[in-house]
Amino acid sequence: EAQVTQNPRYLITVTGKKLTVTCSQNMNHEYMSWYRQDPGLGLRQIYYSMNVEVTDKGDVPEGYKVSRKEKRNFPLILESPSPNQTSLYFCASSIRAGENTEAFFGQGTRLTVV
Amino acid sequence: SQKIEQNSEALNIQEGKTATLTCNYTNYSPAYLQWYRQDPGRGPVFLLLIRENEKEKRKERLKVTFDTTLKQSLFHITASQPADSATYLCALSNYGGSQGNLIFGKGTKLSVKP
Repeated sequence: EAQVTQNPRYLITVTGKKLTVTCSQNMNHEYMSWYRQDPGLGLRQIYYSMNVEVTDKGDVPEGYKVSRKEKRNFPLILESPSPNQTSLYFCASSIRAGENTEAFFGQGTRLTVV
Repeated sequence: SQKIEQNSEALNIQEGKTATLTCNYTNYSPAYLQWYRQDPGRGPVFLLLIRENEKEKRKERLKVTFDTTLKQSLFHITASQPADSATYLCALSNYGGSQGNLIFGKGTKLSVKP
């Protein structure tokens, strides 16, 4: 089954404790991205990757890092989480950037930073 | 600045009626526009894509129009059902943008009452 898988689904952590949210897709997609979704603000892009070893900042990159060492994986790293990073996070992938194709989203990761 | 607006935060309609959702944008030249459905706590799911040179697209009970002069897309659900209750997001990709990123509106929450 074609899918984007995020882990964990739920995470509660403390301020400053590094964490990684994993994202994996099995569709051989070149383009992957991370979004956060907050009430009243909608989906905002954090980082994206056009292909392996190619990543760039989205609209709200502060406090986040990503890597793309393999085509299928695109982990989101919070080196020192803060309470304002409490949010619902989504990973998405599509065949290529700039193509008129749909984005496939993961099931989401609800992160709480206390 | 670039903006995508979905005019209503919430729309309540009676079962069997046609739901019409609006997406307006400014300062974009989108190559295409997409509509997604999102259920609470879950990732968005792709519904329809319409290209800049298409006026209308249909899929079962769904219809999307795209007016590049008005900078507006309308999303219609005919013969609506309670199961159609969800948040609907429009998304644009900038024409010729190097990123090819999808930019999302904040969504319209549709409630269909029996």
